[in-house]
Amino acid sequence: ETVMTQSPATLSVSPGERATLSCRASQSVSSNLAWYQQKPGQAPRLLIYGASTRATGIPARFSGSGSGTEFTLTISSLQSEDFAIYYCQQYDYWPPRYTFGQGTKLEIK
Amino acid sequence: QLQLQESGPGLVKPSETLSLTCSVSGASISSTTYYWGWIRQPPGKGLEWIGSFSHSGTTYYSPSLKSRVTISVDTSKNQFSLKLSSVTAADTAVYFCAKTVAGLYFDYWGQGTPVTVSS
Repeated sequence: ETVMTQSPATLSVSPGERATLSCRASQSVSSNLAWYQQKPGQAPRLLIYGASTRATGIPARFSGSGSGTEFTLTISSLQSEDFAIYYCQQYDYWPPRYTFGQGTKLEIK
Repeated sequence: QLQLQESGPGLVKPSETLSLTCSVSGASISSTTYYWGWIRQPPGKGLEWIGSFSHSGTTYYSPSLKSRVTISVDTSKNQFSLKLSSVTAADTAVYFCAKTVAGLYFDYWGQGTPVTVSS
């Protein structure tokens, strides 16, 4: 089973600054990687899939990069509504299996 | 507008079976393009995939939960259900149903329903 490890656990950043979140896979997942944003009391929202493709309606300040075992989510200029918990998730094509990272909490500095 | 809505008891006794239903509107669960599944989130913790199914009705389960999980489908009602047997306090969580594109990433989620396992 592929283990996903996110770092840091908590990231403190000021509004307007750039945030960089990392996700590492215990084995190669190619580009089968998604990122989600979750706010308190809400369901996760898909941000990025295929490691770098923004989902419908996601602002351009969100970008994803990486392949294999190392992935990055970058938020170029933090807005107040971006402070949340972010999860990465890998997906296996066959059989379908999904593993989430433990999350990174992005908080206001 | 695609919507998913979870329903079911919010309290389950230890050793009993947790049963939840996901009602889908705005898309057919029989669509060949989509897979559908269940994910849970214990209080203050991260997300855990429970299981999914494809348009053919084939089910796929998390290895860690496989012995206790059953996902069933009612295409006439456009609903699918989760049963988790022999529950313990460790199964206390918010349970989400969700849709995937071609069995890959989860693009639509229900709002989630909290379930507490307690006597």
